Parts: sequence; structure tokens; C-alpha cells
Amino acid sequence: NAGVTQTPKFRILKIGQSMTLQCTQDMNHNYMYWYRQDPGMGLKLIYYSVGAGITDKGEVPNGYNVSRSTTEDFPLRLELAAPSQTSVYFCASSYYLQGEVIAGTDTQYFGPGTRLTVL
Amino acid sequence: GESVGLHLPTLSVQEGDNSIINCAYSNSASDYFIWYKQESGKGPQFIIDIRSNMDKRQGQRVTVLLNKTVKHLSLQIAATQPGDSAVYFCAENMGRDDKIIFGKGTRLHILP
Repeated sequence: NAGVTQTPKFRILKIGQSMTLQCTQDMNHNYMYWYRQDPGMGLKLIYYSVGAGITDKGEVPNGYNVSRSTTEDFPLRLELAAPSQTSVYFCASSYYLQGEVIAGTDTQYFGPGTRLTVL
Repeated sequence: GESVGLHLPTLSVQEGDNSIINCAYSNSASDYFIWYKQESGKGPQFIIDIRSNMDKRQGQRVTVLLNKTVKHLSLQIAATQPGDSAVYFCAENMGRDDKIIFGKGTRLHILP
């Protein structure tokens, strides 16, 4: 398994441009997530999805959009890039079974990240 | 604001000694806690987790302790090695929808 893959690895955008960050997982996980990580900080949840066709907002959703048309893919869309969106973006996935009480069954697996700079 | 935080931003430990990284959380409804390790330029990597119905869980060279009374979580790394140098994050899940909330992180620095 390749796990969680993200493209591109790096990107520089001008203010107002748009782009899509790609995320794919091959582990048949039902849950997928997008986080951003600012320098020296922890991860902030942007959006997440509990399955194909279902998405929900996280802590910092403004300025972003997502879709989940398949189990494998969870793209993140920036419509009007702003300098405040300069960050490293991580996609993650997990298999979550409602009511599961055994630790370790809903471990998140992270992709390598996309470093985005908005100038 | 964040409900998960760490007491120290940087921890320096002699190689071979044990490391203890602490974390405080404020949401008593949280029922699942995870420790992640993040090496420079990489995504977070799962280390160990614990459910709220447990107070201790052991892995290979790592132990997580959970004290629900004072809302405190710790990660113990035995016989710290140079490869343990990284930023360590604790994270919590409130159990309703599997959203994971991360703390700011503690950088572990290994002294030769």
C-alpha cells in the first residue's frame, strides 16, 4: 500500500489565485481529514469526511472547500488564495467504527504534506 | 481556543535517559488520546494511543499515562535515542465524530 499520498509537494500562489490540493489513500479508510500546520504550531482541522459524499467543517474551514466523490480521494480547494493561507497542509485518513472501544483501531495515517506559499 | 496543550515547548534529554513529555487537556468529554511524532519535513506519525477507560498503555519503549482526575496525559520514552529527536504532539478526540484536536507540540532534543 502507498498509504496516503498528496500532490503537489510544494506550490507558490499569487493572491487571488485558486488551486486544488490532491489527497488519495489506498487503505479503504472511511474517514479522511485535511489539516493545516503553521510554523511552530500544532495541526488545525480544516475539513473532514466520514465517507464518500459526506463532508463537514473542522476548526478553520473559511477559505477552503472539499468534496468526497470516492472513498479514495479527498481534494482540498482554495478559491481565492490569501497570504494567511501560507502553511503546510496535511491530509490524513483513518478507519473509524462507531462504538469501537479497542484502542488503535482509528489511528490516523498522514500524508507527507504540501507546503503552500501565497505571495 | 485549544483544549489540548503542552507544558514545555522544548525538552532536552541525555541520550540513554528516559524522556517524559506532558500534556494537559481541558475537555472532560474527551475519550480518546493519541501521541504523534513529527520529524522535520514529515507528516505526524502515530506513536501510541489510549482510551479513557484505561490509565496506562505500553508500546515498544513508549508508555502513555492518563490521569483523568487532573486531565493530564504523559508520554514516556525509555532509553532515549538520537532517532527520537522530533516534535511530539498530544491530541484528543471527543468521541462524537472522530475529530482530532492537536496541541502545540513539544520538541525533544537529544544530548550526546
